[in-house]
Parts: sequence; C-alpha cells; structure tokens
Amino acid sequence: DAGVIQSPRHEVTEMGQEVTLRCKPISGHDYLFWYRQTMMRGLELLIYFNNNVPIDDSGMPEDRFSAKMPNASFSTLKIQPSEPRDSAVYFCASSFRDGERYFGPGTRLTVT
Amino acid sequence: AQSVTQPDIHITVSEGASLELRCNYSYGATPYLFWYVQSPGQGLQLLLKYFSGDTLVQGIKGFEAEFKRSQSSFNLRKPSVHWSDAAEYFCAVGPVGGYNKLIFGAGTRLAVHP
Repeated sequence: DAGVIQSPRHEVTEMGQEVTLRCKPISGHDYLFWYRQTMMRGLELLIYFNNNVPIDDSGMPEDRFSAKMPNASFSTLKIQPSEPRDSAVYFCASSFRDGERYFGPGTRLTVT
Repeated sequence: AQSVTQPDIHITVSEGASLELRCNYSYGATPYLFWYVQSPGQGLQLLLKYFSGDTLVQGIKGFEAEFKRSQSSFNLRKPSVHWSDAAEYFCAVGPVGGYNKLIFGAGTRLAVHP
C-alpha cells in the first residue's frame, strides 16, 4: 500500500484565495483525521470522519474552514478565504477501527 | 482537563549514548498513551503505545517506554542512540471523547552528535 497520500505537498497562495488540500486514506481504513501543525500551537486535531461521516469538527478554527469526505477514498480540507495565520503544515491520517493511526507526509501551506 | 507535557523542547545526545524523553500527562482515568516520531518533512509514525497490562512497553526501532501511574509519566527510552534517531518525538494521550481523539504534547526535538 502507498500509505496516506496528500496533495499538494506545498502550497503558496495569497491572502483571500481559496485553498483546497486533498487526502487519500489507506484503502480499507474507516477513520480519517485532519490535523494542523504550527510552532505556536503544536499538533491540533481539526476534524475526523468515521465511514465518511464527520464525527467531531470541534477543532475547526472557524467558518472559513470546511472538510468533506465524499467517499471512502477521498477527503478535502478547504479554506476560503485564506489568511496568513492559516500558514501551517496540514496532516491527514487514517486508521482502521481503533488501530494505529497512519499519517500522510503533510501539506505545507504558506499564505502571503 | 486532559493535557500532555513534554518538558524538554530540545535534547542533544552523542551517538551511542542512552536517551530518555520525558512525558507527563493529566487525565482523569487510566489513559491510553502513545509515542510518535516525526522525521523532517515526514508525517508522524507510531513508535509504541500503552493501553493496559505490562507497564513497560516495547516499540519499534529499539525504543521502550514505561507507564508510571504514580508519577503520571510515560517516558521514552533507548539504550543506545543512532544518528538516524534524530527527529522530533511526540507523546500523546487519549481517549478524549472517544478513542480516536488524542491530545499531543508539544514535542521534543532530538539532535544526535556523531
């Protein structure tokens, strides 16, 4: 298996633009997580899905952030409009039931 | 409230030396505890986990950790560090509102001198 796949690996955008981050979980995994990592706040859970259904989105910073999981093999995290304070590394992770969480390589987002 | 503290932000050791990374937690019941490692430009990889039973847990890459309830600690150890162990290490505790929600510590960055 190729592991969790994220795209793009790097994204540079201007303030106010829409940003879409993509994630393909490991086949067969039924949980998917979106995390954000910054120097100031460390690793934060934004939202997680079980069987494509959002279970807990209490970590989503504000309405500018939205996440979808239209099917078991694809999820997106969208920021609209983006702001400089959104600059961070965004990780997607997946797991099967209560098993080990596998992290993707991350997307480094820079908003100028 | 649940929390995880990693007191050391940076640690430097010589190759071949022993290593201990500290992790303290605050949790209302018996926690699930985890150690993850993050190499530069990579995602997090699970080193080991504690759910119950033997308080000394063996993980991958020669790492082990010991759960000490009386000290609310879950320190990570390795008897002899290799240069490839240079990375950032994260302790995590859960479940928070269910198994699949973890709280991560701020991380400890390990540098290894040759």
